[in-house]
Amino acid sequence: ELKVEQNPLFLSMQEGKNYTIYCNYSTTSDRLYWYRQDPGKSLESLFVLLSNGAVKQEGRLMASLDTKARLSTLHITAAVHDLSATYFCAVVPLLGTYKYIFGTGTRLKVLA
Amino acid sequence: DAGVIQSPRHEVTEMGQEVTLRCKPISGHDYLFWYRQTMMRGLELLIYFNNNVPIDDSGMPEDRFSAKMPNASFSTLKIQPSEPRDSAVYFCATRRGNGNTIYFGEGSWLTVV
Repeated sequence: ELKVEQNPLFLSMQEGKNYTIYCNYSTTSDRLYWYRQDPGKSLESLFVLLSNGAVKQEGRLMASLDTKARLSTLHITAAVHDLSATYFCAVVPLLGTYKYIFGTGTRLKVLA
Repeated sequence: DAGVIQSPRHEVTEMGQEVTLRCKPISGHDYLFWYRQTMMRGLELLIYFNNNVPIDDSGMPEDRFSAKMPNASFSTLKIQPSEPRDSAVYFCATRRGNGNTIYFGEGSWLTVV
């Protein structure tokens, strides 16, 4: 059974600081996705990573994928309050299925 | 282009009642997913369809849950009879066949009392 784990589960950080969220998964995959969810809202796609070594950046967020280590990171640079949300990674196993399995989520709170 | 449309947005029902949640996918999207989100269990994939055919329903919790997709524009998730532990947010999500990203609806917030 595919497992997708994120850490930390909760993150409280000061504005202007940098931090990294980690996403580990337990099976072979070359497709990894990051989503953002605001409280009481739906999930919004942030990044799609489709190969080993893929790196995507949008504003203060940068995501990367290491398929050999089965690890993706979401790096936050100079955090601002507007980044407060829950971040999910999702993985699709390599073997011809389209089961998007989501991680546990990381609840980020950026303190002004 | 309208996004994934779910209804009802909020539902409060009594234990034992039947609940039907509805989803209209984005036009042209031929994969449809039903997810359940709770604090305890996070986001769970219940079932997904491709071209209206159920492909994997291994996440459906028990026989009280059923899902259908009678055509490309409509899907339902039914719970009968409902129980308090079914209280959750149920999301529908869809994607194009040659795409990658899945797009989520706003969710249906279900409370069973």
